[in-house]
Amino acid sequence: EAQVTQNPRYLITVTGKKLTVTCSQNMNHEYMSWYRQDPGLGLRQIYYSMNVEVTDKGDVPEGYKVSRKEKRNFPLILESPSPNQTSLYFCASRLGGSYNSPLHFGNGTRLTVT
Amino acid sequence: QQQVKQSPQSLIVQKGGISIINCAYENTAFDYFPWYQQFPGKGPALLIAIRPDVSEKKEGRFTISFNKSAKQFSLHIMDSQPGDSATYFCAASMGSGGYQKVTFGTGTKLQVIP
Repeated sequence: EAQVTQNPRYLITVTGKKLTVTCSQNMNHEYMSWYRQDPGLGLRQIYYSMNVEVTDKGDVPEGYKVSRKEKRNFPLILESPSPNQTSLYFCASRLGGSYNSPLHFGNGTRLTVT
Repeated sequence: QQQVKQSPQSLIVQKGGISIINCAYENTAFDYFPWYQQFPGKGPALLIAIRPDVSEKKEGRFTISFNKSAKQFSLHIMDSQPGDSATYFCAASMGSGGYQKVTFGTGTKLQVIP
């Protein structure tokens, strides 16, 4: 089954404790991206990657890091989480070079930082 | 700065009624307008999309109406059903060279009551 898999689904942590949210897709998509969803703000892009070893900032990159060492994986790293990073996070992928191909989203990771 | 404004924030419709969600954009460089549907506990999924060279697109009970001069577009759900209860995001995208910048609206939570 074609899918984007995120782990964990739920995560509660404390301020300053480094964490990683994993994202994997099995569709051989070149493009991958991370979004955060907050009430009243919709979906905002954190980082994206056009292909392996190619990443760039989205609209709200502060406090986050990403890496793209393999085509299928795109982990999101919070090196020193803060309470304002409490949010619902989504990883997405799509075909690259196929303009306007749809984004395929994972089922989300709900992060709480206390 | 919200480049895609979506309203209403929430909507309650009787079964069999018409649900209407409106969006407005500012940047005339946007050239593709998808709508995503999100059920609780799931990631958004593409529902229907339109290009600005057409004024309307219909897929089953779902119709996008597009007004290029007013920079507005809307989603109409005819004969709304309880199974349509979800959060709907409009979006606008633009890009070149395989990169697509997608900007999402703030979302509309639709509840269809029996």
